Amino acid sequence: ETGVTQTPRHLVMGMTNKKSLKCEQHLGHNAMYWYKQSAKKPLELMFVYNFKEQTENNSVPSRFSPECPNSSHLFLHLHTLQPEDSALYLCASSQALAGALQETQYFGPGTRLLVL
Amino acid sequence: KNEVEQSPQNLTAQEGEFITINCSYSVGISALHWLQQHPGGGIVSLFMLSSGKKKHGRLIATINIQEKHSSLHITASHPRDSAVYICAVSGLAGGTSYGKLTFGQGTILTVHP
Repeated sequence: ETGVTQTPRHLVMGMTNKKSLKCEQHLGHNAMYWYKQSAKKPLELMFVYNFKEQTENNSVPSRFSPECPNSSHLFLHLHTLQPEDSALYLCASSQALAGALQETQYFGPGTRLLVL
Repeated sequence: KNEVEQSPQNLTAQEGEFITINCSYSVGISALHWLQQHPGGGIVSLFMLSSGKKKHGRLIATINIQEKHSSLHITASHPRDSAVYICAVSGLAGGTSYGKLTFGQGTILTVHP
């Protein structure tokens, strides 16, 4: 058990739907991340939040909208997605130390998203 | 070309064999990570290293900073080691964001009984 939970685990949505992915970490970390894993491609970083502030947006389309209300919770709001957005979406968290770039990240189980 | 390259992409072994997975990267880094992903998606961090060698059980990770190369070794492999092994680097030149990881494409390992 990783201490990072994600819901839902599976999601099927149409291109006109609006849905949200939720991530919660119980590890007392201050940094949280969203990653996308598409078939046959490396994991891609989407967003980084450090102490609730977004510090990285890796050129993610605006149909993906993150929200970090506190250090324990991270959301990814989805709107007007495309079939090519079908992928495994992984959340991770880590301890945030000023200036540190190499903290171990702890991953959630992921949400497998299918866009029809 | 990906900044992080792993080899081989697929690896099949018999139980008990010694296994090596390689990772090469193209620019300076702060740290290199080895991750394990089981079917179903969950990812576990195995090692984070910036120099030398680390060992945990049957797993050994080494890194050569000058050659920009790391290896993950599994001794006495077992079917439960079957998973995708992913190399990732942090602190790539130009990457100023905290904790930004760049990933290799992964190595699919299958260990047969």
